[in-house]
Amino acid sequence: GAVVSQHPSRVICKSGTSVKIECRSLDFQATTMFWYRQFPKQSLMLMATSNEGSKATYEQGVEKDKFLINHASLTLSTLTVTSAHPEDSSFYICSARDMLGMNYGYTFGSGTRLTVV
Amino acid sequence: GQQLNQSPQSMFIQEGEDVSMNCTSSSIFNTWLWYKQDPGEGPVLLIALYKAGELTSNGRLTAQFGITRKDSFLNISASIPSDVGIYFCAGQGNNAGNMLTFGGGTRLMVKP
Repeated sequence: GAVVSQHPSRVICKSGTSVKIECRSLDFQATTMFWYRQFPKQSLMLMATSNEGSKATYEQGVEKDKFLINHASLTLSTLTVTSAHPEDSSFYICSARDMLGMNYGYTFGSGTRLTVV
Repeated sequence: GQQLNQSPQSMFIQEGEDVSMNCTSSSIFNTWLWYKQDPGEGPVLLIALYKAGELTSNGRLTAQFGITRKDSFLNISASIPSDVGIYFCAGQGNNAGNMLTFGGGTRLMVKP
Protein backbone atom coordinates (compact mmCIF):
# COMPACT_ATOMS: atom_id res chain seq x y z
CA GLY A 1 0.00 0.00 0.00
CA ALA A 2 0.87 3.66 -0.23
CA VAL A 3 3.47 4.75 2.32
CA VAL A 4 4.35 8.28 3.34
CA SER A 5 7.53 8.84 5.32
CA GLN A 6 7.93 11.97 7.43
CA HIS A 7 11.17 13.08 9.03
CA PRO A 8 12.11 13.98 11.68
CA SER A 9 9.57 12.55 14.09
CA ARG A 10 10.66 14.92 16.84
CA VAL A 11 12.70 18.09 16.84
CA ILE A 12 13.60 20.65 19.47
CA CYS A 13 14.98 23.96 18.32
CA LYS A 14 15.85 27.35 19.76
CA SER A 15 13.74 30.42 19.12
CA GLY A 16 14.80 32.23 16.00
CA THR A 17 16.15 29.20 14.19
CA SER A 18 14.58 27.41 11.23
CA VAL A 19 13.46 23.82 11.04
CA LYS A 20 12.89 21.71 7.93
CA ILE A 21 10.46 18.81 7.87
CA GLU A 22 10.50 16.31 5.00
CA CYS A 23 7.61 14.33 3.59
CA ARG A 24 8.29 11.54 1.12
CA SER A 25 5.99 9.24 -0.77
CA LEU A 26 7.91 5.97 -0.81
CA ASP A 27 6.12 3.80 -3.33
CA PHE A 28 4.06 6.19 -5.37
CA GLN A 29 4.22 9.58 -6.98
CA ALA A 30 2.32 12.47 -5.50
CA THR A 31 1.76 15.62 -7.51
CA THR A 32 0.00 17.05 -4.50
CA MET A 33 0.86 16.80 -0.83
CA PHE A 34 -0.84 18.45 2.10
CA TRP A 35 0.54 19.91 5.31
CA TYR A 36 -1.48 19.95 8.50
CA ARG A 37 -0.99 21.29 11.98
CA GLN A 38 -2.56 19.67 15.01
CA PHE A 39 -2.85 21.14 18.49
CA PRO A 40 -3.33 18.87 21.51
CA LYS A 41 -6.74 17.23 21.63
CA GLN A 42 -7.82 18.96 18.45
CA SER A 43 -8.43 17.94 14.89
CA LEU A 44 -6.11 18.42 11.95
CA MET A 45 -5.96 21.89 10.48
CA LEU A 46 -4.92 22.18 6.86
CA MET A 47 -2.09 24.67 6.46
CA ALA A 48 -1.26 24.42 2.79
CA THR A 49 -1.42 22.35 -0.35
CA SER A 50 1.97 21.56 -1.82
CA ASN A 51 2.02 21.34 -5.61
CA GLU A 52 4.91 19.71 -7.46
CA GLY A 53 6.72 22.21 -9.60
CA SER A 54 4.65 25.20 -8.56
CA LYS A 55 3.89 27.40 -5.61
CA ALA A 56 2.05 26.06 -2.60
CA THR A 57 -1.49 27.13 -1.88
CA TYR A 58 -1.87 28.39 1.66
CA GLU A 59 -5.02 28.39 3.76
CA GLN A 60 -6.34 31.63 5.11
CA GLY A 61 -4.39 32.82 8.12
CA VAL A 62 -1.27 30.77 7.40
CA GLU A 63 1.81 32.91 6.79
CA LYS A 64 3.55 31.74 3.65
CA ASP A 65 6.79 33.49 4.59
CA LYS A 66 6.73 31.74 7.94
CA PHE A 67 5.98 28.29 6.63
CA LEU A 68 7.97 27.74 3.46
CA ILE A 69 6.90 24.81 1.33
CA ASN A 70 8.90 23.28 -1.48
CA HIS A 71 7.73 20.40 -3.66
CA ALA A 72 10.68 19.84 -5.92
CA SER A 73 9.91 16.30 -7.02
CA LEU A 74 6.99 13.91 -7.30
CA THR A 75 8.06 12.14 -4.11
CA LEU A 76 9.28 14.90 -1.81
CA SER A 77 7.75 17.96 -0.17
CA THR A 78 9.42 19.98 2.56
CA LEU A 79 8.01 22.37 5.14
CA THR A 80 10.42 24.85 6.67
CA VAL A 81 9.35 26.72 9.77
CA THR A 82 11.38 29.91 9.62
CA SER A 83 12.43 31.97 12.63
CA ALA A 84 10.57 29.61 14.89
CA HIS A 85 8.94 30.84 18.09
CA PRO A 86 7.44 28.90 21.00
CA GLU A 87 3.94 29.42 19.62
CA ASP A 88 5.01 27.42 16.55
CA SER A 89 5.39 24.37 18.76
CA SER A 90 2.91 21.82 17.48
CA PHE A 91 2.42 18.49 15.73
CA TYR A 92 2.89 18.82 11.97
CA ILE A 93 1.59 16.12 9.65
CA CYS A 94 1.84 15.69 5.91
CA SER A 95 -0.31 13.61 3.60
CA ALA A 96 -0.31 12.55 -0.01
CA ARG A 97 -2.72 10.92 -2.38
CA ASP A 98 -1.81 8.17 -4.79
CA MET A 99 -3.66 9.20 -7.89
CA LEU A 100 -2.73 6.11 -9.89
CA GLY A 101 -3.27 3.35 -7.38
CA MET A 102 -6.46 1.51 -6.61
CA ASN A 103 -6.61 3.00 -3.14
CA TYR A 104 -7.54 6.62 -3.47
CA GLY A 105 -7.41 7.28 0.23
CA TYR A 106 -5.11 9.95 1.50
CA THR A 107 -2.07 8.52 3.28
CA PHE A 108 -0.55 10.40 6.17
CA GLY A 109 2.98 10.61 7.47
CA SER A 110 3.71 9.76 11.08
CA GLY A 111 3.96 13.40 12.07
CA THR A 112 6.65 15.68 13.46
CA ARG A 113 6.53 17.00 17.01
CA LEU A 114 8.15 20.43 16.97
CA THR A 115 9.14 22.05 20.24
CA VAL A 116 10.58 25.55 20.16
CA VAL A 117 12.39 26.60 23.31
CA GLY B 1 -16.41 26.79 4.28
CA GLN B 2 -17.42 23.19 4.70
CA GLN B 3 -17.95 21.98 8.26
CA LEU B 4 -18.01 18.46 9.62
CA ASN B 5 -19.74 17.72 12.90
CA GLN B 6 -18.50 14.53 14.49
CA SER B 7 -20.12 12.92 17.50
CA PRO B 8 -19.69 11.87 20.15
CA GLN B 9 -16.56 13.77 21.14
CA SER B 10 -15.54 10.97 23.47
CA MET B 11 -16.68 7.54 24.56
CA PHE B 12 -15.69 5.34 27.47
CA ILE B 13 -16.88 1.80 26.98
CA GLN B 14 -16.37 -1.70 28.30
CA GLU B 15 -14.35 -4.18 26.29
CA GLY B 16 -16.63 -6.24 24.09
CA GLU B 17 -19.21 -3.50 23.57
CA ASP B 18 -20.07 -2.13 20.16
CA VAL B 19 -19.28 1.46 19.26
CA SER B 20 -20.95 3.87 16.88
CA MET B 21 -19.88 7.33 15.83
CA ASN B 22 -21.03 9.59 13.04
CA CYS B 23 -20.32 12.69 11.05
CA THR B 24 -22.69 15.13 9.45
CA SER B 25 -22.03 17.92 7.03
CA SER B 26 -23.84 21.00 5.87
CA SER B 27 -22.74 20.29 2.32
CA ILE B 28 -22.29 17.32 0.02
CA PHE B 29 -19.14 15.23 -0.06
CA ASN B 30 -17.95 12.92 -2.84
CA THR B 31 -15.75 10.80 -0.61
CA TRP B 32 -15.90 9.92 3.07
CA LEU B 33 -12.88 8.59 4.91
CA TRP B 34 -12.46 7.27 8.42
CA TYR B 35 -9.09 7.44 10.18
CA LYS B 36 -7.68 6.33 13.51
CA GLN B 37 -4.92 8.27 15.21
CA ASP B 38 -2.77 6.91 18.02
CA PRO B 39 -0.88 9.33 20.32
CA GLY B 40 2.12 10.89 18.60
CA GLU B 41 1.31 9.30 15.27
CA GLY B 42 -0.29 10.36 12.04
CA PRO B 43 -3.83 9.23 11.14
CA VAL B 44 -4.16 5.78 9.60
CA LEU B 45 -6.86 5.14 7.04
CA LEU B 46 -9.46 2.62 8.18
CA ILE B 47 -12.18 2.78 5.55
CA ALA B 48 -12.78 4.80 2.39
CA LEU B 49 -16.26 5.33 0.93
CA TYR B 50 -16.82 6.57 -2.60
CA LYS B 51 -20.53 6.15 -3.39
CA ALA B 52 -23.69 7.32 -1.69
CA GLY B 53 -25.26 4.42 0.18
CA GLU B 54 -22.05 2.41 0.15
CA LEU B 55 -21.57 0.12 3.13
CA THR B 56 -18.04 -1.15 3.64
CA SER B 57 -16.46 -3.38 6.26
CA ASN B 58 -12.89 -3.82 7.39
CA GLY B 59 -12.73 -6.57 10.00
CA ARG B 60 -14.76 -5.41 13.00
CA LEU B 61 -15.25 -1.98 11.46
CA THR B 62 -18.20 -1.03 9.28
CA ALA B 63 -18.82 2.36 7.73
CA GLN B 64 -21.55 3.76 5.52
CA PHE B 65 -21.74 6.68 3.13
CA GLY B 66 -25.10 8.35 3.71
CA ILE B 67 -27.65 8.50 0.90
CA THR B 68 -27.79 12.29 1.11
CA ARG B 69 -23.97 12.42 0.83
CA LYS B 70 -23.98 14.64 3.90
CA ASP B 71 -23.30 12.04 6.55
CA SER B 72 -21.41 8.89 7.42
CA PHE B 73 -21.15 6.55 10.37
CA LEU B 74 -18.52 4.17 11.67
CA ASN B 75 -19.33 1.15 13.79
CA ILE B 76 -16.84 -0.95 15.73
CA SER B 77 -18.09 -4.30 16.93
CA ALA B 78 -16.83 -6.20 19.96
CA SER B 79 -14.33 -3.53 20.99
CA ILE B 80 -10.91 -4.51 22.31
CA PRO B 81 -8.33 -2.47 24.26
CA SER B 82 -6.26 -1.73 21.16
CA ASP B 83 -9.23 0.12 19.66
CA VAL B 84 -8.32 2.99 21.98
CA GLY B 85 -7.47 6.14 20.06
CA ILE B 86 -8.98 9.08 18.28
CA TYR B 87 -11.18 8.44 15.28
CA PHE B 88 -11.60 11.10 12.63
CA CYS B 89 -14.00 11.32 9.76
CA ALA B 90 -12.92 13.27 6.72
CA GLY B 91 -14.76 14.30 3.62
CA GLN B 92 -13.70 15.43 0.21
CA GLY B 93 -16.06 17.69 -1.68
CA ASN B 94 -16.05 19.49 -4.97
CA ASN B 95 -12.91 21.48 -4.46
CA ALA B 96 -10.19 21.83 -7.06
CA GLY B 97 -7.43 21.15 -4.60
CA ASN B 98 -8.83 17.75 -3.51
CA MET B 99 -8.57 18.90 0.06
CA LEU B 100 -10.04 16.99 2.96
CA THR B 101 -12.24 18.44 5.65
CA PHE B 102 -11.87 16.75 9.04
CA GLY B 103 -14.35 16.19 11.80
CA GLY B 104 -13.42 17.11 15.33
CA GLY B 105 -12.62 13.53 16.29
CA THR B 106 -14.04 10.93 18.67
CA ARG B 107 -11.80 9.87 21.52
CA LEU B 108 -12.45 6.22 22.31
CA MET B 109 -11.44 4.69 25.61
CA VAL B 110 -11.95 0.98 26.26
CA LYS B 111 -11.98 -0.49 29.72
CA PRO B 112 -10.64 -4.06 29.84
